[in-house]
Amino acid sequence: DGGITQSPKYLFRKEGQNVTLSCEQNLNHDAMYWYRQDPGQGLRLIYYSQIVNDFQKGDIAEGYSVSREKKESFPLTVTSAQKNPTAFYLCASSIVDPYLNEQFFGPGTRLTVL
Amino acid sequence: AQSVTQLGSHVSVSEGALVLLRCNYSSSVPPYLFWYVQYPNQGLQLLLKYTSAATLVKGINGFEAEFKKSETSFHLTKPSAHMSDAAEYFCAVEYGNNRLAFGKGNQVVVIP
Repeated sequence: DGGITQSPKYLFRKEGQNVTLSCEQNLNHDAMYWYRQDPGQGLRLIYYSQIVNDFQKGDIAEGYSVSREKKESFPLTVTSAQKNPTAFYLCASSIVDPYLNEQFFGPGTRLTVL
Repeated sequence: AQSVTQLGSHVSVSEGALVLLRCNYSSSVPPYLFWYVQYPNQGLQLLLKYTSAATLVKGINGFEAEFKKSETSFHLTKPSAHMSDAAEYFCAVEYGNNRLAFGKGNQVVVIP
């Protein structure tokens, strides 16, 4: 089955530690996205990538980093510079096309920083 | 900049009653609009999308939405609520490079 996988589902880290969230897709999509979701805040875009080896900052990129070495993979690192990292993180992918622009979402990773 | 407004963070509806979730957007160009649903601790699932082909859009699970350019609205409706409709619903607008701006969401509670 085609889809997006995120691992782990739950992640606990101590304050000051960097942590990397995994996102893999087998939909053959060129574009991938990372969102952060906080209660009552909707989804906010952290980073996005439309092609391998290229990515752009979204609205809340500070304290986060990404890489896009493979089409299928778009890992997100939450660094110690992120002041409030506890949140639900969602990865998505899509075709790069103005008409077929539906984003498909993974199941999410809930990060808790202790 | 594109933005989406969803009023009322929590919406309670009786089972069998009409579900109405309001979405207003701001966009400088003809928009692509979406409604997504999220069940607890899960990702988002597309309910329906507007891409200018028709103003009344039908989606999954009996939901539909009507695009009204004069009102800059894209309200979501379902004639008869079911217990399984309890979830959080997000309206979103595309704002270039396939990026989406989301509203803050409506948590729908269905009362038996």
